[in-house]
Amino acid sequence: DAGVTQSPTHLIKTRGQHVTLRCSPISGHKSVSWYQQVLGQGPQFIFQYYEKEERGRGNFPDRFSARQFPNYSSELNVNALLLGDSALYLCASSYLAGANTGELFFGEGSRLTVL
Amino acid sequence: GENVEQHPSTLSVQEGDSAVIKCTYSDSASNYFPWYKQELGKGPQLIIDIRSNVGEKKDQRIAVTLNKTAKHFSLHITETQPEDSAVYFCAASRAGSSNTGKLIFGQGTTLQVKP
Repeated sequence: DAGVTQSPTHLIKTRGQHVTLRCSPISGHKSVSWYQQVLGQGPQFIFQYYEKEERGRGNFPDRFSARQFPNYSSELNVNALLLGDSALYLCASSYLAGANTGELFFGEGSRLTVL
Repeated sequence: GENVEQHPSTLSVQEGDSAVIKCTYSDSASNYFPWYKQELGKGPQLIIDIRSNVGEKKDQRIAVTLNKTAKHFSLHITETQPEDSAVYFCAASRAGSSNTGKLIFGQGTTLQVKP
């Protein structure tokens, strides 16, 4: 079975631009979470979606938004990019929202560089 | 706020030796504690987890212990091998149907196993 897939794997943008990152969860998983991992640090929670509804939001500005589609795939959008947005953006899927099992399965990430 | 402290930040051991990584969490309501291994250029991979109703869990060369009173949990790797070299992250969350399942990650430990 395919794991969590993310696209694009790498991208370069300039300050002020907008970016859309995409994620397909593991088949059968209904929840998608997004994390930002700055180089040398642990991942930080951005959003969680379950059944197309936002279930949680981390401490990120309104420039960050996301949505989940009927097929449970998800998009993360970042507007007005800043240099500090350069990071690895990770998508994780789980079967349930609050995860009674607690297990999240991560994709390989999208490496965003803002120049 | 919610916080997970992880130590040491780097750890170098000889092949065959044991490695121990320690974490402390601040949210006393946390009840799920996973450990992730992240290899260069890849997303975090779940290697073992423990829930608050048990004190220890073992899977082959890997074991995790949890002390809820002290809010400490640790990863133990025995008989280390060069392929164990990676960055390890601990995390904590409030798993459950009413929670987001948001993971709070530690800062990571870079483990180097010398042949």
